Amino acid sequence: KAGVTQTPRYLIKTRGQQVTLSCSPISGHRSVSWYQQTPGQGLQFLFEYFSETQRNKGNFPGRFSGRQFSNSRSEMNVSTLELGDSALYLCASSLEGASRGYTFGSGTRLTVV
Amino acid sequence: GENVEQHPSTLSVQEGDSAVIKCTYSDSASNYFPWYKQELGKRPQLIIDIRSNVGEKKDQRIAVTLNKTAKHFSLHITETQPEDSAVYFCAAGGTSYGKLTFGQGTILTVHP
Repeated sequence: KAGVTQTPRYLIKTRGQQVTLSCSPISGHRSVSWYQQTPGQGLQFLFEYFSETQRNKGNFPGRFSGRQFSNSRSEMNVSTLELGDSALYLCASSLEGASRGYTFGSGTRLTVV
Repeated sequence: GENVEQHPSTLSVQEGDSAVIKCTYSDSASNYFPWYKQELGKRPQLIIDIRSNVGEKKDQRIAVTLNKTAKHFSLHITETQPEDSAVYFCAAGGTSYGKLTFGQGTILTVHP
């Protein structure tokens, strides 16, 4: 079966711009979680969506937001980009939540200049 | 919230040796402990996981042990091979939907 698909793979944006990242989970998976991965901070939880509802949110500013559609595809948006937002953004899909095991996508590498 | 500490940050072994990576967690309510392997430029992949009602789990050369009282869990890799070289992450979760708290990662290098 198809894995978790994230688009685009790479992005370069300018400070102050906004960006939208997309994640298509494995067919049948209803939970999508988003993580920010940086060399200094490791993997930091952003938020999780299940059946179009945000069930959990990490400690990121309100500039980071997301949503999930009825087909379980999810998007995350970052507004007013800062240099520190440069990171690999990973989404992970699972049947019902983290304790059922995640499958990660390949990520979107965001560079803010 | 949950906090996960992982040690060591780097580990270098000779091919055929064993490797052990240790993690401690802070939230006694956590009940799910997965380990992920991330090769350079690739996605993290689940290699083994354990739940709080089990003390040990093995899968070929990989094993994980859990000590709930001490709130720590460990990954053991035996007969290491160069293809085991990667970054390994431990994580803890199960108390909040969809959320895992990850350790900082261990860079494992296996020398031929």
